Amino acid sequence: DADVTQTPRNRITKTGKRIMLECSQTKGHDRMYWYRQDPGLGLRLIYYSFDVKDINKGEISDGYSVSRQAQAKFSLSLESAIPNQTALYFCATSDRYSNQPQHFGDGTRLSIL
Amino acid sequence: QKEVEQNSGPLSVPEGAIASLNCTYSDRGSQSFFWYRQYSGKSPELIMSIYSNGDKEDGRFTAQLNKASQYVSLLIRDSQPSDSATYLCAIYGTGANNLFFGTGTRLTVIP
Repeated sequence: DADVTQTPRNRITKTGKRIMLECSQTKGHDRMYWYRQDPGLGLRLIYYSFDVKDINKGEISDGYSVSRQAQAKFSLSLESAIPNQTALYFCATSDRYSNQPQHFGDGTRLSIL
Repeated sequence: QKEVEQNSGPLSVPEGAIASLNCTYSDRGSQSFFWYRQYSGKSPELIMSIYSNGDKEDGRFTAQLNKASQYVSLLIRDSQPSDSATYLCAIYGTGANNLFFGTGTRLTVIP
């Protein structure tokens, strides 16, 4: 079983719909992250959380919100999806200490029509 | 100026050759440096970490770090077609809260 699990793996939806992407991990890591990846733009950080009560905005948080339900769960919501949010979304985790590598889930391919 | 810069490629090398991938960064206070491999449509996979100046070898992979010149490189010896992927350089800046990624270099190993 994957250490970092994202659901769903693929989603097609319409403009204006509310969407939730979920991430759960069995690595025991404290830190969790959400990224989106677009061709030519690389990975961009949306939100990150260092523990259940610590949530921070990343580079491109507008139009997104997150919830850290437990140490192992971190969900990303698009309140009213728009076509330019079509992208590949990744969840990642890292250990509590600074300078640790991040480990990625398999990703969610999201298409908004 | 971007935090982390990579040549987007594509870089093509023949099977068995050495592939050399380079990355420069802007934050002199950076402490931690990583290379990830990403196959098309898949997630980034950590292949190397390096924290101090010099070379670090792991199998066919060697990471090289030069903090004075602000670059980090990845050498892949005896390149195989299965090494064909995009390689992402990632660096924690000063404060080490956020990992900055380059846009990646696409490598193609020709049989």
